[in-house]
Amino acid sequence: GAVVSQHPSRVICKSGTSVKIECRSLDFQATTMFWYRQFPKQSLMLMATSNEGSKATYEQGVEKDKFLINHASLTLSTLTVTSAHPEDSSFYICSARGGREQFFGPGTRLTVL
Amino acid sequence: GENVEQHPSTLSVQEGDSAVIKCTYSDSASNYFPWYKQELGKRPQLIIDIRSNVGEKKDQRIAVTLNKTAKHFSLHITETQPEDSAVYFCAASIRGGSYIPTFGRGTSLIVHP
Repeated sequence: GAVVSQHPSRVICKSGTSVKIECRSLDFQATTMFWYRQFPKQSLMLMATSNEGSKATYEQGVEKDKFLINHASLTLSTLTVTSAHPEDSSFYICSARGGREQFFGPGTRLTVL
Repeated sequence: GENVEQHPSTLSVQEGDSAVIKCTYSDSASNYFPWYKQELGKRPQLIIDIRSNVGEKKDQRIAVTLNKTAKHFSLHITETQPEDSAVYFCAASIRGGSYIPTFGRGTSLIVHP
């Protein structure tokens, strides 16, 4: 199946700093990528839909100025958590759509101290 | 928008028993229903999917059934093994167009040896 990578896999940062997470589709072009947030023992919460070359579409309740999404190419989307706070600590997962299937990245565990 | 309900939230079975997870959806336009398996700290992985023009699909020990009239679909795992222990998510979406799946809340399956 198609491969989606995510980097970094784990990051620990101080409160107030910004963190950038990269999501890459390695062997296919993804016009659409999705960013999810997952709390322990909970489902995937869609944060935003990222379309190559255009602005991301954010879900209700997700602050677009805090979670900056850039989809600069057909194989790369980035999520930047700006001025991170402890409540932003979570597991962030991206996915890329290839045909009708959706392929997930391995996730990034963000811990904000 | 689409609303997907998933039950049970936790399912505990003995090795060799069958496990059934049920989901209901609200949008009759949904026509694609994937199931994902997520092991702790790892990415969700597609294990089986079904489209609305099919009532049942089977892949070895895993099967999915779909009742369009009642708007519900189920995952069946037979002869469960300890390695089947994971969180399972159902999803519903409309194939084509924006194709943004809506996920169920997840079922934590525990298979006791």
